[in-house]
Amino acid sequence: QVQLQESGPGLVKPSGTLSLTCGVSGDSINNSNWWTWVRQPPGKGLEWIGEIYPSGSTNYNPSLASRVTISIDRPKNQFSLRLSSVAAPDTAVYYCARNGGSYGRLDFWGQGTLVTVSS
Amino acid sequence: EVVMTQSPSTLSVSPGERVTLSCRASQSVRNNLAWYQRKPGQAPRLLIYDASTRATGFPARFSGSGSGTEFTLTISSLQSEDFAIYFCHQYNNWPNTFGQGTNLDIK
Repeated sequence: QVQLQESGPGLVKPSGTLSLTCGVSGDSINNSNWWTWVRQPPGKGLEWIGEIYPSGSTNYNPSLASRVTISIDRPKNQFSLRLSSVAAPDTAVYYCARNGGSYGRLDFWGQGTLVTVSS
Repeated sequence: EVVMTQSPSTLSVSPGERVTLSCRASQSVRNNLAWYQRKPGQAPRLLIYDASTRATGFPARFSGSGSGTEFTLTISSLQSEDFAIYFCHQYNNWPNTFGQGTNLDIK
C-alpha cells in the first residue's frame, strides 16, 4: 500500500520560508507518477500548489509560482516543498499526494500537516 | 482557472437515507473529475475518478455521474462510516482546482 507522510516545522515566521518534506513508502519516487502538493487554508477550499515528475520537471500554480520550489530526493524516496516570503494567508494544512500514472486524479494522499505563519 | 462549486456545504442526514451531492464547474472539464472522502485525522481517499469510476475499496453504494460542467455523487444508503467531508477535483484544466467540500453529518 502506498503511503505518504508530510513532515516539517509547524510554525514559520512571516517573510520566512516554509519547508516541508513528503516521505513515500510502498512506491518508488522514480516511477511514472506526478508527486503533488495541495493546501487548505482554514475555512477555505483546497488549492493545488504544484507537482514534480521523477525527471525533475515541475508545474506550479501561477498564483504561487514566483515563491514555490518543489524538488525530489531520489535516494531518500521523498519530495519537498519550499514556499518563500510567507505571510498569514499561507497558513494552511499542507498535503502531499500522488497523481498515479499521471492520469490526473490523486490516488494517494498524506494526512496533512498544519503550518501556521505567525511571529 | 476553473471554479468548482459544491452544494450543499453541509448536509445532515440519517443512516439509511439516499444522498446526492453536487459539483458544478465554471467551464467544461469533460469527465476529468474526481471525488474524495476525508475523515478527521485521516488522509483523503480517492473515491470516484473519471466522473463515474469507483476507486478500489469503496462499496457499490457510492456512484458518480455527470460530464462537462455538472456532476453528482450519490450514496444510495448511508452507513455510519460514510459521515465525512466529500470534495470534488477537476484535472482537465491547469491548474487543477477543487470544490469547497460538502460536510455530511448525522442528523
